[in-house]
Amino acid sequence: QKEVEQDPGPLSVPEGAIVSLNCTYSNSAFQYFMWYRQYSRKGPELLMYTYSSGNKEDGRFTAQVDKSSKYISLFIRDSQPSDSATYLCAMSPNNNDMRFGAGTRLTVKP
Amino acid sequence: GAVVSQHPSRVICKSGTSVKIECRSLDFQATTMFWYRQFPKQSLMLMATSNEGSKATYEQGVEKDKFLINHASLTLSTLTVTSAHPEDSSFYICSASKAGGPTDTQYFGPGTRLTVL
Repeated sequence: QKEVEQDPGPLSVPEGAIVSLNCTYSNSAFQYFMWYRQYSRKGPELLMYTYSSGNKEDGRFTAQVDKSSKYISLFIRDSQPSDSATYLCAMSPNNNDMRFGAGTRLTVKP
Repeated sequence: GAVVSQHPSRVICKSGTSVKIECRSLDFQATTMFWYRQFPKQSLMLMATSNEGSKATYEQGVEKDKFLINHASLTLSTLTVTSAHPEDSSFYICSASKAGGPTDTQYFGPGTRLTVL
């Protein structure tokens, strides 16, 4: 079993939809949770960074961490075509040894 | 499948020495490997892209003579930080794309923490 599981998609939604992206993990030692957005041929851009459980909101983006279920989510409200990208989850026990999900490819259609 | 490893996971070295970091695709052949650098709580900055058997393509602002990249086989790429200085201290992450797979799907390694004293 992989330490981090993420459905690679692809996921296609109409503009304005709420997007839900998820990852599950098996290592209970993970404490730091991150979501990255990667456009084609670019480096992953850090979107959200959370420590331990709980919710964090930044504009149209909300990250949720449920450590009891070993499940993290990223919600995108009012999705825009410019949100079309690959979204990677990543997590770490110590902010060093990172484990990335496979990435979910999202397309938001106008 | 699609596991990428890096070695070492952590390295501490003296200023002026060279450090080699290995990136391996364990269960697939990787035609393209990428090297990134990350500062705390920041995005991953693409340093260079390497294709097996050819010279790496460096991003603007990355010194190719300082960050030597070798992609000797379809499962191994190395990054050598030459004459390291404290400002080179960072978290270096590699990723790999599968041969025959989507070219923009990357599988990431766990990273290497470099500390230069």
